[in-house]
Amino acid sequence: SQELEQSPQSLIVQEGKNLTINCTSSKTLYGLYWYKQKYGEGLIFLMMLQKGGEEKSHEKITAKLDEKKQQSSLHITASQPSHAGIYLCGADGKGYNQGGKLIFGQGTELSVKP
Amino acid sequence: DGGITQSPKYLFRKEGQNVTLSCEQNLNHDAMYWYRQDPGQGLRLIYYSQIVNDFQKGDIAEGYSVSREKKESFPLTVTSAQKNPTAFYLCASWDSHTDTQYFGPGTRLTVL
Repeated sequence: SQELEQSPQSLIVQEGKNLTINCTSSKTLYGLYWYKQKYGEGLIFLMMLQKGGEEKSHEKITAKLDEKKQQSSLHITASQPSHAGIYLCGADGKGYNQGGKLIFGQGTELSVKP
Repeated sequence: DGGITQSPKYLFRKEGQNVTLSCEQNLNHDAMYWYRQDPGQGLRLIYYSQIVNDFQKGDIAEGYSVSREKKESFPLTVTSAQKNPTAFYLCASWDSHTDTQYFGPGTRLTVL
């Protein structure tokens, strides 16, 4: 079973629209990471969240970790074609008795229509 | 420039052949990882190494082998025992100062 669930699995939005991607864990998150991937390329690190209620922003992307540390959201404001790609969340494996490793969600594929 | 390099970018293999994927990093990171990515399945951990001369199996180690003779290098061998090797392979290393994992550009392996 998937330990980290991402929703939606895919998303098509019109350029300029806002969107949100969610990442839900069945266990407490000790560290939550967001990555972006262009098809056929490596993962680019976006942000890391560790504290309950923490929120970080970079340009038009904001990531939040809820107070219970079991869910994170990634919000993109005024989407652009450059935001298109696959977004993956990863969690510190410590919460799953797998220290020293990251556990990943299945990814959310974002398409932005001009 | 510091970073993680993987070679080759594309690799074709005939059935029954072993093939080795290269991963090199000049970031001075102790821990390195190999993942496999298939469409719609996210990343699955193959092997990881937290220090030179030591490595552990991940979730899908069968049909793969690794070595860690140098801190900078963590090559992955896909053996003929791997039943479905066609996939995108990603190498990563861990920055213990920032608790962040960084990835290489990947190698796409296709079995003909």
